[in-house]
Amino acid sequence: QVTLRESGPALVKPTQTLTLTCTFSGFSLSTSGMCVSWIRQPPGKALEWLALIDWEDDKFYSTSLKTRLTISKDTSRNQVVLTMTYMDPMDTATYYCARSGIAASNSFDYWGQGTLVTVSS
Amino acid sequence: QSVLTQPPSVSGAPGQRVTISCTGSSSNIGANYDVHWYQQLPGTAPKLLIYANNNRPSGVPDRFSGSKSGTSASLAITGLQAEDEADYYCQSYDSSLSGSRVFGGGTKLTVL
Repeated sequence: QVTLRESGPALVKPTQTLTLTCTFSGFSLSTSGMCVSWIRQPPGKALEWLALIDWEDDKFYSTSLKTRLTISKDTSRNQVVLTMTYMDPMDTATYYCARSGIAASNSFDYWGQGTLVTVSS
Repeated sequence: QSVLTQPPSVSGAPGQRVTISCTGSSSNIGANYDVHWYQQLPGTAPKLLIYANNNRPSGVPDRFSGSKSGTSASLAITGLQAEDEADYYCQSYDSSLSGSRVFGGGTKLTVL
């Protein structure tokens, strides 16, 4: 069965770089059409899509955050990594990874449980 | 400010029918991109509820249904139950924002 799990620091200081890892099972990112995205949700607020990486290593980023984000994958380890630079208290959120297909109309069919990241000095 | 607009809250009594709207524009829903709906129970991750406008994943009760017309979409829930109390999000794709998947601002459903 498909599972995804996010891991990373629970607390980061302002201006630091955040690195999150999504470890998944039940599918392969070398399969044609397969993608993994990162999505975040500040406390009490809406979901926000951040970045997507596909099986061909193509990468797509939120227009508003693209200068701060880098997404990468390690297919052999079934992992996707997101880095976000210059963290700010406004970046405090639960960060989710989720699977989708590459087509624009594909949904996020499986999600991780999320990891809460707090940005504070 | 979310690209897709949802009402912040809706409510209904057990057994009633409620609908949640999702309004977009000509670069997302109106451009014929599919709309998906997610249910987020308190303290949990979102779960896919409706995909490609009106399709239910296995295990989702047929009390949940979706529709799309023009630049808007709707989620309908019939026979409301206490366990339906959750946040609901619509999601689509926006061609004006490279590669961007976009979400609505979410709707809190309260079962009275």
